[in-house]
Amino acid sequence: KAGVTQTPRYLIKTRGQQVTLSCSPISGHRSVSWYQQTPGQGLQFLFEYFSETQRNKGNFPGRFSGRQFSNSRSEMNVSTLELGDSALYLCASSLGGTQSSYEQYFGPGTRLTVT
Amino acid sequence: GQSLEQPSEVTAVEGAIVQINCTYQTSGFYGLSWYQQHDGGAPTFLSYNGLDGLEETGRFSSFLSRSDSYGYLLLQELQMKDSASYFCALLSTNKLIFGTGTLLAVQP
Repeated sequence: KAGVTQTPRYLIKTRGQQVTLSCSPISGHRSVSWYQQTPGQGLQFLFEYFSETQRNKGNFPGRFSGRQFSNSRSEMNVSTLELGDSALYLCASSLGGTQSSYEQYFGPGTRLTVT
Repeated sequence: GQSLEQPSEVTAVEGAIVQINCTYQTSGFYGLSWYQQHDGGAPTFLSYNGLDGLEETGRFSSFLSRSDSYGYLLLQELQMKDSASYFCALLSTNKLIFGTGTLLAVQP
């Protein structure tokens, strides 16, 4: 089975711009979660999608949004980029049952640098 | 809210045993997971405790005590390749809340 893929792997943007990141989950996985990882804050939960519906959201401003398509692929968007948005953005997929989310499969991440 | 605390760094010698602790505060959760992340890599799942007690997977074991709001990951027969960051994570409804991670350095 192919693993979780994320594109692009690296991205450099300027403050004020917007960015869209993409994630393709493992085949058969219906849940996709997004995380922001920074050296000081660790892994911070952004949101989770299942069957095209956002089931859960972390404590991030409205500039961070996402969506999921019928094939379970997901995108996240960050508008009006700030320097503090520089981070590794990870997506993870799982089967999707509430109590099966303990085992998530992570993609390699997108390294976003905001200048 | 939910929060988890882990030691920031742990150092151990090859062949030894090391325990990484995780204490948490939460109003409710399903269980505690552990993940490993090598520098520059993606986190990978190691173990999960849905119930109190010990779970063993090869050289790795994980423990959970809900009454003490405490868990740990035990790594035996340490190898150099075990040098990585280790995260505990609370399983809440449809999400994992991660601790800040413990950087394990294995020395020869």
